[in-house]
Amino acid sequence: GNSVTQMEGPVTLSEEAFLTINCTYTATGYPSLFWYVQYPGEGLQLLLKATKADDKGSNKGFEATYRKETTSFHLEKGSVQVSDSAVYFCALSDSGGGSQGNLIFGKGTKLSVKP
Amino acid sequence: DTEVTQTPKHLVMGMTNKKSLKCEQHMGHRAMYWYKQKAKKPPELMFVYSYEKLSINESVPSRFSPECPNSSLLNLHLHALQPEDSALYLCASSPRDPASTDTQYFGPGTRLTVL
Repeated sequence: GNSVTQMEGPVTLSEEAFLTINCTYTATGYPSLFWYVQYPGEGLQLLLKATKADDKGSNKGFEATYRKETTSFHLEKGSVQVSDSAVYFCALSDSGGGSQGNLIFGKGTKLSVKP
Repeated sequence: DTEVTQTPKHLVMGMTNKKSLKCEQHMGHRAMYWYKQKAKKPPELMFVYSYEKLSINESVPSRFSPECPNSSLLNLHLHALQPEDSALYLCASSPRDPASTDTQYFGPGTRLTVL
């Protein structure tokens, strides 16, 4: 079946540090890949997405590249800010593997950025 | 506009009460979703409506009853809930049938507390 594995948190960084949150996936078809962010007390916001191999999604300084050969979609940002403190979810959507296109989420990684 | 709205923002109810959660989108999306999210966990899919028809019910107890009156509205009727049903309830929508693996756009959620 389809699944997403992302690095366990929490991750604590100082402002302006480099961020990487690892995400790997298992899928039977050709999934679309997503990063969602959830700020405290809020719903999920789409951060970025990629729909095919070698696509790079980017938004607000965050980037992730769809790597089919390593089945990965790692999230990176060159210089984090305190306002980036949130929970980050990696997710996939695949019409195969019995998931019918529904979102499969990783467990989430909590990021705390200190001034 | 990629906005999904949900009301109320917070809801406190007793185990004998009947209440409803409301979700609305005006993006012309044809798939709408209900998720339940417990603290420090990813969202769990409850129901999927595709073209106003219930297409997925993830073995949710009958005390949760979804309704899709039209293509813009999604309700979740609640009756005889248990304290363990306390959670953040998220609504989402996507342009087409879930199997198309389109991006899902989430609302801000309703924080439900069952006493």
